[in-house]
Amino acid sequence: SYELTQPPSVSVSPGQTARITCSGDALPKQSAHWYQQKAGQAPVLIIYKDTERPSGIPERFSGSSSGTTVTLTISGVRAEDEADYYCQSIDSSPTYVFGAGTKVTVL
Amino acid sequence: QVTLRESGPALVKPTQTLTLTCTFSGFSLSTSEMSVSWVRQPPGKALEWLALIDWDDDKYYNTSLKTRLTISRDTSKNQVVLTMTNMDPADTATYYCARDSEYNSGLYFFDYWGQGTLVTVSS
Repeated sequence: SYELTQPPSVSVSPGQTARITCSGDALPKQSAHWYQQKAGQAPVLIIYKDTERPSGIPERFSGSSSGTTVTLTISGVRAEDEADYYCQSIDSSPTYVFGAGTKVTVL
Repeated sequence: QVTLRESGPALVKPTQTLTLTCTFSGFSLSTSEMSVSWVRQPPGKALEWLALIDWDDDKYYNTSLKTRLTISRDTSKNQVVLTMTNMDPADTATYYCARDSEYNSGLYFFDYWGQGTLVTVSS
């Protein structure tokens, strides 16, 4: 079955930049999306279609894509950005696939 | 304002059937390109997509769970119902319903989520 690979954890100091990668063989052909999940809360969409940001999502969240890897970048990290981040794409239409998640720790 | 809310039992016994209801507002599941999915998350683990029903009443399932799942809708009540048979402790998870409003556009992502409901499977 199709897998999306994320690093388990990323640690970053406040004000620095965090980058989270997500790799998958089909990503050159299928869009990827990112969700933020804070402890005890439901996921929230923060990036869709690789690079687009929904209204209300701060500009410090951005996405990029290159080949089989997409990257979520959090610029000027704040303490409130500490959360789990999941990438998501699809396998066959429509089988939604999530990465295993990356825990961002703000030092 | 789009909202989704899950409801159902907090505790089920092994081998029982789980029935969960997603009640939504702020959109119609009869609108083209609209769909509602169920997604679950075991404690401390990742998200897992389970099933989807779309505006045309087409249904799709996670292939590894397909034999145990049934998704249906009641458009007049703005509800989507998921049943999962033969529950096992490994099915203990928070179950979410989520909306995809650009379904079939080639993008496939969830723009709104419910708050989730924790289901524990234990005798």
